Amino acid sequence: QKEVEQNSGPLSVPEGAIASLNCTYSDRVSQSFFWYRQYSGKSPELIMSIYSNGDKEDGRFTAQLNKASQYVSLLIRDSQPSDSATYLCAVNARSGNTPLVFGKGTRLSVIA
Amino acid sequence: DADVTQTPRNRITKTGKRIMLECSQTKGHDRMYWYRQDPGLGLRLIYYSFDVKDINKGEISDGYSVSRQAQAKFSLSLESAIPNQTALYFCATSDTTGTGVGYTFGSGTRLTVV
Repeated sequence: QKEVEQNSGPLSVPEGAIASLNCTYSDRVSQSFFWYRQYSGKSPELIMSIYSNGDKEDGRFTAQLNKASQYVSLLIRDSQPSDSATYLCAVNARSGNTPLVFGKGTRLSVIA
Repeated sequence: DADVTQTPRNRITKTGKRIMLECSQTKGHDRMYWYRQDPGLGLRLIYYSFDVKDINKGEISDGYSVSRQAQAKFSLSLESAIPNQTALYFCATSDTTGTGVGYTFGSGTRLTVV
């Protein structure tokens, strides 16, 4: 059973702080990792993808991947109230010929 | 126009009724998916299709069926709706390039079975 685990939260951070969201996965052959943001009642929106160990930065977002520890994280710098949402971690296997497996999501609340 | 369009956006139906949820896309993607989302349970895969002639069950396919009418169209049917199928349903698409790609989601269909 392929699993993706996330802390459900809510994670509360003050405005301007760094929010750190974590995800672990069980399938060692997983090669592609994604972070989606989902506002309440809306569809998930892809915000980051990462394929190699290390850090990948895009604006205020940084994705971090450690395949040895089977761990992927998302850092949000200078958090804004508009970042308040549920963040979904998703992974898939080496070939890409299997559907993404999603975690249940972490709810982030940024307090002004 | 949206790249991935789901209809209807909202639907209330009675127990035992047959209902179809439709999804169409203009992204030219080969792969299409149906997920349902329930509070606290995340996104769960119902069915997926990697091309017009390919249909695969996901983790929660019981009580559902699908039809891939064309590359751009993928419909989900509930043959006899029951209240625990009340959920938010999402269609998603992806292409086949690269070693792994993200999905584009439709806006969702909120289904209530009474």
